[in-house]
Amino acid sequence: EPEVTQTPSHQVTQMGQEVILRCVPISNHLYFYWYRQILGQKVEFLVSFYNNEISEKSEIFDDQFSVERPDGSNFTLKIRSTKLEDSAMYFCASGRDKPYEQYFGPGTRLTVT
Amino acid sequence: LAKTTQPISMDSYEGQEVNITCSHNNIATNDYITWYQQFPSQGPRFIIQGYKTKVTNEVASLFIPADRKSSTLSLPRVSLSDTAVYYCLVGLNTGGFKTIFGAGTRLFVKA
Repeated sequence: EPEVTQTPSHQVTQMGQEVILRCVPISNHLYFYWYRQILGQKVEFLVSFYNNEISEKSEIFDDQFSVERPDGSNFTLKIRSTKLEDSAMYFCASGRDKPYEQYFGPGTRLTVT
Repeated sequence: LAKTTQPISMDSYEGQEVNITCSHNNIATNDYITWYQQFPSQGPRFIIQGYKTKVTNEVASLFIPADRKSSTLSLPRVSLSDTAVYYCLVGLNTGGFKTIFGAGTRLFVKA
């Protein structure tokens, strides 16, 4: 069964550094998403991406964040200058033809020190 | 996106049927109802989606009354491995696709 994959599984970085989190969505999916979840808290929507552009973003997704789909398979989330409060689990998700039927990856745990 | 209200937590025993109800009084005509399950340190997993009446798949059933102001996720014969957080989401399957997860219902299944 096809799955969303994410790399790395765990990333440790210093405050102020740039990080890129990578995702490979399910191959025939059209909708792509990034979420984050701070330990013990809710899953928070960051951004949705469709037809090669951002379709919606949350207040969290400020100028420090960007997304790209550089080729037909990868979907990346970049954080330009990480802060301590960016420490969280970051999930990528994709959907085929129903935006609310999403399939999530295993997540990348980002630790900012 | 319609606001949803779910119980914060529920307890059950193995083998029982569990029903988790979600209230969504301001659901719009075109909104769908979607349920996700999340285990610790994992991403949410899509369980089921419906618009009205009843939907059943190999994992669960979703009951939606005629006024659609609530929905009930039914898990038949739960096992310890069904211990998880269950989220009810209500929104359009079109548009900007901003997906808002609430606090969910923490189901704890006991032996």
